Amino acid sequence: AQSVTQPDIHITVSEGASLELRCNYSYGATPYLFWYVQSPGQGLQLLLKYFSGDTLVQGIKGFEAEFKRSQSSFNLRKPSVHWSDAAEYFCAVGGNAAGNKLTFGGGTRVLVKP
Amino acid sequence: GAVVSQHPSRVICKSGTSVKIECRSLDFQATTMFWYRQFPKKSLMLMATSNEGSKATYEQGVEKDKFLINHASLTLSTLTVTSAHPEDSSFYICSAYPGASGGYEQYFGPGTRLTVT
Repeated sequence: AQSVTQPDIHITVSEGASLELRCNYSYGATPYLFWYVQSPGQGLQLLLKYFSGDTLVQGIKGFEAEFKRSQSSFNLRKPSVHWSDAAEYFCAVGGNAAGNKLTFGGGTRVLVKP
Repeated sequence: GAVVSQHPSRVICKSGTSVKIECRSLDFQATTMFWYRQFPKKSLMLMATSNEGSKATYEQGVEKDKFLINHASLTLSTLTVTSAHPEDSSFYICSAYPGASGGYEQYFGPGTRLTVT
């Protein structure tokens, strides 16, 4: 069975500081990995995705993520956080082997201090 | 491109009534649509997978007679919550999956907030 763990429920970061959100997954085949952001009461917006190739993936809004197969991790990073980055972030895993169903992590809520 | 809409965005209904939520892919055809439920401050829980022209596949623990899913066309799926009760109050999100042509990505709708009184 596939699963995703986001160990940090909340993270508070100062504006301008760097941010790293952790994601660990369990998947029996080649995973497709995603990071989504959700603002309150809204749907999900895709930040970036990894299917294959370069393990360092660039996304929108200045985010990047690195796939580490040996650690079963897909951590999200941003060098300098803006107040508008305050939101809920979800890591998800899926793939053809799962019928393209996505399994989401529990989410990490990011608070940005001025 | 790749826009998914949901209607309504918010709905309040009385206990015992049924409510229908529509999910449309506006500019692409979706071979598969997914329905998720999200409780407050919680993650998304997959309820069912819907393929056009066939019966939906429900996840374990999801009552198929309560949450009726119809996927009548490649651009429209509907979720009907039958005989709704307050515990069905939640945020329901759909996603549409175009397949390989869409980069294996699901595109999410903006969600529907259901409140059952």
